[in-house]
Amino acid sequence: EVQLVESGGGLVQPGGSLRLSCAASGFTFSSYAMSWVRQAPGKGLEWVSGIGATGGGTYYADSVKGRFTISRDNSKNTLFLQMNSLRAEDTAVYYCAKDASVVVAATPNYWGQGTLVTVSS
Amino acid sequence: QSALTQPASVSGSPGQSITISCTGTSSDVGGYNYVSWYQQHPGRAPKLMIYDVRNRPSGVSNRFSGSKSGNTASLTISGLQAEDEADYYCSSFTSSSTLVFGGGTKLTVL
Repeated sequence: EVQLVESGGGLVQPGGSLRLSCAASGFTFSSYAMSWVRQAPGKGLEWVSGIGATGGGTYYADSVKGRFTISRDNSKNTLFLQMNSLRAEDTAVYYCAKDASVVVAATPNYWGQGTLVTVSS
Repeated sequence: QSALTQPASVSGSPGQSITISCTGTSSDVGGYNYVSWYQQHPGRAPKLMIYDVRNRPSGVSNRFSGSKSGNTASLTISGLQAEDEADYYCSSFTSSSTLVFGGGTKLTVL
């Protein structure tokens, strides 16, 4: 059974940093692209970033480019999202998602339960 | 990257069929067959219902079907049931190797 468990969310001040983690199990982690998707309170889904199966090839939404960095540790089956220079508009539930293939951002087919990030003073 | 365009809400009675549209451009929906549909109940993570325009993952009811014509994709739910009441999102791969979602459609089963 595919399981994705996010952690690292919390309350952070504007301009601060946070690192999210996603522990994966139930599939061959190193064979699939992965993505982060967020959902602001009461709003729709927004794709944030994606990474290739081997870690080569990283992609970002314009709204986070230059502030967020996606990475993965295939030896530990873990996906990361380093978030810097956080803004109030980054407040959201952040979901980790497994893509259906090696193609980044094509088809997230399994999602974690999400971790809440709140940016506020 | 602009969000794909979906109606804000649709409704139908039990047993009826409804269709939700998702309009993009030739750089996303029209250019690739990586169009997916997700169902999201309140407080829950999204669930994949349709992928690659028209394919259903294992375990998803055959009451759900997808199609595409030009820059517009569609999700049809037949034989509406109370449990289908949820938010539905379309998504598409883009020419920038990113993923774009629709704004979401709230389905109400009357």
